[in-house]
Amino acid sequence: GQQLNQSPQSMFIQEGEDVSMNCTSSSIFNTWLWYKQDPGEGPVLLIALYKAGELTSNGRLTAQFGITRKDSFLNISASIPSDVGIYFCAGYNAGGTSYGKLTFGQGTILTVHP
Amino acid sequence: EAGVTQSPTHLIKTRGQQATLRCSPISGHTSVYWYQQALGLGLQFLLWYDEGEERNRGNFPPRFSGRQFPNYSSELNVNALELEDSALYLCASSLTGTGDEKLFFGSGTQLSVL
Repeated sequence: GQQLNQSPQSMFIQEGEDVSMNCTSSSIFNTWLWYKQDPGEGPVLLIALYKAGELTSNGRLTAQFGITRKDSFLNISASIPSDVGIYFCAGYNAGGTSYGKLTFGQGTILTVHP
Repeated sequence: EAGVTQSPTHLIKTRGQQATLRCSPISGHTSVYWYQQALGLGLQFLLWYDEGEERNRGNFPPRFSGRQFPNYSSELNVNALELEDSALYLCASSLTGTGDEKLFFGSGTQLSVL
């Protein structure tokens, strides 16, 4: 089935640094999403992208929908300790056998040192 | 407003037993989704229910089943438990019944199979 390759798997950064992570797919998605999971919690939606080339921001977070529709990027600027967690990309295609099904990447574990 | 609630928080079973996990969606949400999150892996889509009907299922064996009740709460049943079923099981809900990608997740049930 479809798989998303998310990188890097983990990141250790200093507070104040910028962070970049990306997600690639072997097939096209019509919607890309980025979720964050805090320890002991379920994932929370950060950003949703609906058009190829789209660049969307949510506070210090900026995500882009790749032109090929096979990739997406997430940037976090000026990281703070509460940015710690696991970040997941997810792709979605409405319709057919994919209806209602999000395909998730393996996650990027972010650690921020004060 | 209460979020998605799942019970129990933790569940310990032995191989061959059956497990039942429960989920209450956000008030007004009609769609419920189940995902499996095994250690070190991303979320894997299990099942989608809307208006009491199963709308889609992921690539899991038939011993993973569930149902949605008239009040939109849902139950996931796993029969003949195997060691590799140990994982965090996440329930999510969405407002619409169209496979909306904007999911709201619960905190999950940690299932351990010994």
